[in-house]
Amino acid sequence: GEDVEQSLFLSVREGDSSVINCTYTDSSSTYLYWYKQEPGAGLQLLTYIFSNMDMKQDQRLTVLLNKKDKHLSLRIADTQTGDSAIYFCAETPYGGSQGNLIFGKGTKLSVKP
Amino acid sequence: GAVVSQHPSWVICKSGTSVKIECRSLDFQATTMFWYRQFPKQSLMLMATSNEGSKATYEQGVEKDKFLINHASLTLSTLTVTSAHPEDSSFYICSAPDRLAYEQYFGPGTRLTVT
Repeated sequence: GEDVEQSLFLSVREGDSSVINCTYTDSSSTYLYWYKQEPGAGLQLLTYIFSNMDMKQDQRLTVLLNKKDKHLSLRIADTQTGDSAIYFCAETPYGGSQGNLIFGKGTKLSVKP
Repeated sequence: GAVVSQHPSWVICKSGTSVKIECRSLDFQATTMFWYRQFPKQSLMLMATSNEGSKATYEQGVEKDKFLINHASLTLSTLTVTSAHPEDSSFYICSAPDRLAYEQYFGPGTRLTVT
């Protein structure tokens, strides 16, 4: 079945870069997403990447996709304390962007001043 | 951008009562909506797929008679937790894909606490 794996914790210092990694199993996934969740809040879409892309950059965020290894990463440049949150990787194994998402367990990012 | 709202944002109810949670797409039509449940410090797990005009599709292990889903219009899906028990306490999140966009929009979530 489908599975999305993430490391559970990451701690960085303010100003450093953060790299959150994710692996997924379903090679038919056409869209891969990164969501941010702050305590007690809903999900905020950060960015997404189509499976035919290798990289996508959006301001401080860079997404790298290695489709061969089914590996996705999110790099946050110049990490700030406001970036502290849980980051979820998600794939869409069914129906492209119209299907349900399969989420990883989330990576808790802690940013130390 | 498109917005999905949920109501209420949080609710406390007594064991044995029923609670209805609404999910609305505010500026687009959604023939499909998804309901997820998130336990504390865990990931989101898909509960069911809500289809406008037809029965919902439930994931394995989710009791359809306990979690009643009604997708009455192209902008509204409701989840009713019937005869709630403390173990139903969770964060319930809905999402709706926009057919004209490449992303799904998530509601802000409803925190249910059953005492």
